[in-house]
Amino acid sequence: AQRVTQPEKLLSVFKGAPVELKCNYSYSGSPELFWYVQYSRQRLQLLLRHISRESIKGFTADLNKGETSFHLKKPFAQEEDSAMYYCALMGSGGSNYKLTFGKGTLLTVNP
Amino acid sequence: AAGVIQSPRHLIKEKRETATLKCYPIPRHDTVYWYQQGPGQDPQFLISFYEKMQSDKGSIPDRFSAQQFSDYHSELNMSSLELGDSALYFCASSSAGGSTEAFFGQGTRLTVV
Repeated sequence: AQRVTQPEKLLSVFKGAPVELKCNYSYSGSPELFWYVQYSRQRLQLLLRHISRESIKGFTADLNKGETSFHLKKPFAQEEDSAMYYCALMGSGGSNYKLTFGKGTLLTVNP
Repeated sequence: AAGVIQSPRHLIKEKRETATLKCYPIPRHDTVYWYQQGPGQDPQFLISFYEKMQSDKGSIPDRFSAQQFSDYHSELNMSSLELGDSALYFCASSSAGGSTEAFFGQGTRLTVV
């Protein structure tokens, strides 16, 4: 079974502070991991995926297989980063792939 | 607690056939989003509904149509299916027009042969 856990439902930081949104997963194979962001009243958007190893809007995430984590980080939070963030895992296995989302973390960046 | 329900879980269709996917949002949720994710690809937003009206449209092919019904469930109708339509289709629901957190269904895996 595959499972994604985002332990923090709410996270509040001040502008300019570092932010880390935690994501832990459970999967027996080699997963593909994503972070999605949803701003208020807007569609879900892909923020980044671990295989591309890129930085989007200043966010980065490193897959740590030993700790089964894929935490999202940004060194200096901005007010416009306030949104819901979802971690998701896609299992491998040919045509039997399945996408599992975490419950989400609401990030609020205060001025 | 009730979650977002999608049916069917798996569907196999032949080319040029039609398919209907259903999404039942969490009770009292008024917004539904549809996404398509092909093998090894990023999810693509298709369409969303708020209070039974289309609220946003993404990369949904003209062969596809969708609607949200009075009980807030939504159906995605797919016609003239192509091999490239094989994908995972998942929906999400939220309340207050999308200003609250979204909850996701398990997805419908469509295979076109």
